Amino acid sequence: DAKTTQPNSMESNEEEPVHLPCNHSTISGTDYIHWYRQLPSQGPEYVIHGLTSNVNNRMASLAIAEDRKSSTLILHRATLRDAAVYYCILYRSNDYKLSFGAGTTVTVRA
Amino acid sequence: NAGVTQTPKFRILKIGQSMTLQCTQDMNHNYMYWYRQDPGMGLKLIYYSVGAGITDKGEVPNGYNVSRSTTEDFPLRLELAAPSQTSVYFCASRNFDGGSYEQYFGPGTRLTVT
Repeated sequence: DAKTTQPNSMESNEEEPVHLPCNHSTISGTDYIHWYRQLPSQGPEYVIHGLTSNVNNRMASLAIAEDRKSSTLILHRATLRDAAVYYCILYRSNDYKLSFGAGTTVTVRA
Repeated sequence: NAGVTQTPKFRILKIGQSMTLQCTQDMNHNYMYWYRQDPGMGLKLIYYSVGAGITDKGEVPNGYNVSRSTTEDFPLRLELAAPSQTSVYFCASRNFDGGSYEQYFGPGTRLTVT
């Protein structure tokens, strides 16, 4: 599996944007970039995914570097409810599984 | 839709006991998964199934068994529980959809083996 690298933790103030980086220098052309998050004491939930172009949805935005070796998940206005572990995962379209690393623990200060 | 449901929410087992963790999904998804998550770690895949009657091992299958007799249900069986199986267990499901891998997770079962 292609590997991703994320910072262990990040802090943010409420109502401010959060930029979560992810490095995936060994990504292949068929790998999709997915982000999941896990709120305390809950199962992971899907956030967003992309292949080459930047993507937006109601939860977040995903900015993908032109060479696809890195990406950034953007939470536009952090709330206390966004405090979670965020996982950046590469998924190959013919694969059957996701591989979860340790993720980035996001703390939001009121 | 209830999504993915898991029972029980919590369980304490003695070493050597057995139990079955239940998982049901009502989204008619073909793919179902069992993960375990140890404290402070990411999720590790135990077993998965691509459809009724088909199961396969993930990264950490030892000490576990699964079956998939229906699309909806994917129970995980622990035989001869050991302290190393103390963990939070998550069941998940998804449909095959090309490039999107939106997987739906249950709320988890917290298991302690003492």
